Amino acid sequence: DAKTTQPPSMDCAEGRAANLPCNHSTISGNEYVYWYRQIHSQGPQYIIHGLKNNETNEMASLIITEDRKSSTLILPHATLRDTAVYYCIVRVAEGAQKLVFGQGTRLTINP
Amino acid sequence: NAGVMQNPRHLVRRRGQEARLRCSPMKGHSHVYWYRQLPEEGLKFMVYLQKENIIDESGMPKERFSAEFPKEGPSILRIQQVVRGDSAAYFCASSPPLDTGELFFGEGSRLTVL
Repeated sequence: DAKTTQPPSMDCAEGRAANLPCNHSTISGNEYVYWYRQIHSQGPQYIIHGLKNNETNEMASLIITEDRKSSTLILPHATLRDTAVYYCIVRVAEGAQKLVFGQGTRLTINP
Repeated sequence: NAGVMQNPRHLVRRRGQEARLRCSPMKGHSHVYWYRQLPEEGLKFMVYLQKENIIDESGMPKERFSAEFPKEGPSILRIQQVVRGDSAAYFCASSPPLDTGELFFGEGSRLTVL
């Protein structure tokens, strides 16, 4: 019952920018877009989240379209260690709400 | 500040035995979430707890599974009479009292049922 759609897999060359798309056409006005990743067999790791403005931190940038129906996670200079499954999730920011993980995008960084 | 600690990291049980998985949240965190990941599958939400309260258990199987987060001590996920289908990685996550959706995950407990 995830509210997002992501491509199942993507490849990117090491050192290039990795752009991971996510569709969330039914997003509500009070829902944020979250990105997590899971590196092989490890616990998921929070990357970034945003509401409607673009966001950037030390890990990535998040670009949200003006209508908020889609977003793109950008890893500016991908390394081999960025190979992971990336999950795009929508959720209200506060309150007792679980995170619902979909199938995510399996990103492979190639040397 | 230590991260979310889960133990045991690996647990082997025979069918019919009980499995107890423990999760110590990060210091100052009062929310705990449990997720299950079957081999080659995605993460499935199981239960969300605050201290001494179950907030959302919509993902918990109706039988054999229970969870608690006592006032003192770690959160416990208990699986009674385990079956082979319970073999999975069980991840715990915690978040601070002001929940902003940023969850901190542990490294998981891998249960193998023989």
